Amino acid sequence: DTEVTQTPKHLVMGMTNKKSLKCEQHMGHRAMYWYKQKAKKPPELMFVYSYEKLSINESVPSRFSPECPNSSLLNLHLHALQPEDSALYLCASSRADEQFFGPGTRLTVL
Amino acid sequence: QKEVEQDPGPLSVPEGAIVSLNCTYSNSAFQYFMWYRQYSRKGPELLMYTYSSGNKEDGRFTAQVDKSSKYISLFIRDSQPSDSATYLCAMRRTVGGKLIFGQGTELSVKP
Repeated sequence: DTEVTQTPKHLVMGMTNKKSLKCEQHMGHRAMYWYKQKAKKPPELMFVYSYEKLSINESVPSRFSPECPNSSLLNLHLHALQPEDSALYLCASSRADEQFFGPGTRLTVL
Repeated sequence: QKEVEQDPGPLSVPEGAIVSLNCTYSNSAFQYFMWYRQYSRKGPELLMYTYSSGNKEDGRFTAQVDKSSKYISLFIRDSQPSDSATYLCAMRRTVGGKLIFGQGTELSVKP
């Protein structure tokens, strides 16, 4: 089973809202990632968690706040987003070498 | 200069054709190479993974890595309309290191 699940599939939020994206994997992977993808562009790395500790933050604005409650779950908390933050948000997990992506959450900020 | 270069296409081929997708890279330290397929509005799906140089085959798909030329390829034999998607190459220097993506090539296979 190489499945990463993400909820919700779609999210529309206003600039003053607070919302969270959720990601789950049960493959025993110890590294989990958040990416942002704009149309016709490759995924851009945002955060990496390794063994439930934040190991990479790619200078992401503080309106995005990641959380890793346990080895299977990854959250991305959103607050005071801007319309330019509208994108596909992808979660991924990896064992040592291969990296698997979830289906993504399509976020629209009004 | 980008670390990984990939022609964005679009590339249009007739059904049954052999498709060749390519990426070049500048950093000789890359050791782990991946190809992802991404359908519109979906997450990338890992198609092929290769460590260091050589070939790997899986059904209609063959991945090649030539580290001396800093060049990787994905071949699709007997292409099908269901292969229509964006294909992303990706590579990393170390196990667990940051994945560096190409821009993606948009492929359309016409019936």
